[in-house]
Amino acid sequence: QVQLQEAGPGLVKPSETLSLTCIVSGGSTANYYWSWIRQSPEKALEWIGYISGGGITKYNPSLGSRVAISLDTSVNRISLRVRSVTATDTAVYFCARQQGDDYNFYYMDVWGKGTTVIVSS
Amino acid sequence: DIVMTQSPDSLAVSLGDRATIDCKSSQSILYKYNNNRNYLAWYQQKPGQSPKLLIYWASTRASGVSDRFSGSGSGTDFTLTISGLQAEDAAVYYCHQYYRSPPTFGQGTKVEIK
Repeated sequence: QVQLQEAGPGLVKPSETLSLTCIVSGGSTANYYWSWIRQSPEKALEWIGYISGGGITKYNPSLGSRVAISLDTSVNRISLRVRSVTATDTAVYFCARQQGDDYNFYYMDVWGKGTTVIVSS
Repeated sequence: DIVMTQSPDSLAVSLGDRATIDCKSSQSILYKYNNNRNYLAWYQQKPGQSPKLLIYWASTRASGVSDRFSGSGSGTDFTLTISGLQAEDAAVYYCHQYYRSPPTFGQGTKVEIK
């Protein structure tokens, strides 16, 4: 079955760029949406954005233009970059497969285990 | 953004009893042009784990999910019911709307065993 595994640096300094990867194993990245979601220390879940198997991206306006998601289909890897991080970007970051069709995205049916990111100097 | 509000924030239920969690959306998430579907999902999250999909389209159980879990409701008001509560059901439960971007989540409801 499909499995997702996130990886990242763990600790990022304020104002720097957070970079995370998510490896998809056991399946193809085509025909799905691939989302990043984060969970704050207070346990609130926030959708960051998605990329479709065809490379179309959509982001949460709450993060503005700081976010970029990319997809490398040759190695089934989804990447997340968040620029100019602050302490409020401290969270557990999850990647997830999101069901959908050509026009709409739906629920997230497969999640990675998550990776913790702390923003601190 | 569509705001999802869950109630209660926490509840303690005895083993074998029923747990009921409500979720209210700030606007209707019923899409009449797609088979009258409600764009709502429920997730279960245990400590140290990622969320697990339980229910989608408000009432469809995900593959492998126990039939003790059921979802109901339409429009703006939804309910997750756990029948015959078992020890392994202790977790935080989240509702999630995917009707409109950005998709949003409720604040979570913690279910404990009494």
